[in-house]
Amino acid sequence: QSVLTQPPSASGTPGQRVTISCSGSTSNIGSNPVSWFQQLPGTAPKLLIYNSDQRPSGVPGRFSGSKSGTSASLAISGLQSEDEADYHCAAWNDSLSGPVFGGGTKLIVL
Amino acid sequence: EVYLVQSGAEVKKPGASVKISCKVSGFTFTAYYMHWVQQAPGKGLEWMGLVDPEDGETIYAERFQGRVTITADTSTDTAYMELSSLKSDDTAVYYCATADMITFGGAENHWGQGTLVTVSS
Repeated sequence: QSVLTQPPSASGTPGQRVTISCSGSTSNIGSNPVSWFQQLPGTAPKLLIYNSDQRPSGVPGRFSGSKSGTSASLAISGLQSEDEADYHCAAWNDSLSGPVFGGGTKLIVL
Repeated sequence: EVYLVQSGAEVKKPGASVKISCKVSGFTFTAYYMHWVQQAPGKGLEWMGLVDPEDGETIYAERFQGRVTITADTSTDTAYMELSSLKSDDTAVYYCATADMITFGGAENHWGQGTLVTVSS
């Protein structure tokens, strides 16, 4: 059972905008920034969003993040077939003194 | 370019130990924290712990405390994660990941390719 809660799956058609939610508590998302990772099939996770809404260099502007209270969201606009992957959220947890992750959301591009 | 190259897949019996290496290149080894993350088959990610290669200080997740040892060898720019008293539910892919922040939350965040550990009698 993951500390952060994500929907197990999400889907959309090419060109659509999809959002993936990540829910936590005051010990994690409520007091710390959120990171998002993209994990393509059979590969290691890759940083997509840090500090809740910042993109590392090289990540397309189609990916955006936001945070409000104890929840965060990842939005992907102009959905492409290569976006089909698992997406994981993460945040530092003050009471556990370590980062915690969501269970991951499998994005299916129809 | 940043590279983290992990050692190969392992098959272990219950009760045994496994030690995985993670050799880094393309950046200053002591400048970043080295985290280790477990991913069981079909499951999400779980943080195991970290080492600060600059001084060897470690922090371990409560779930793995007492069974995991994370070290860093600055002479070879290699980090290690040893997990003891293996159980079948330790079967997972283990990742090393370097981060510029202890919280794992900064812009600099790079992962190894993963090492599959299978625990089976």
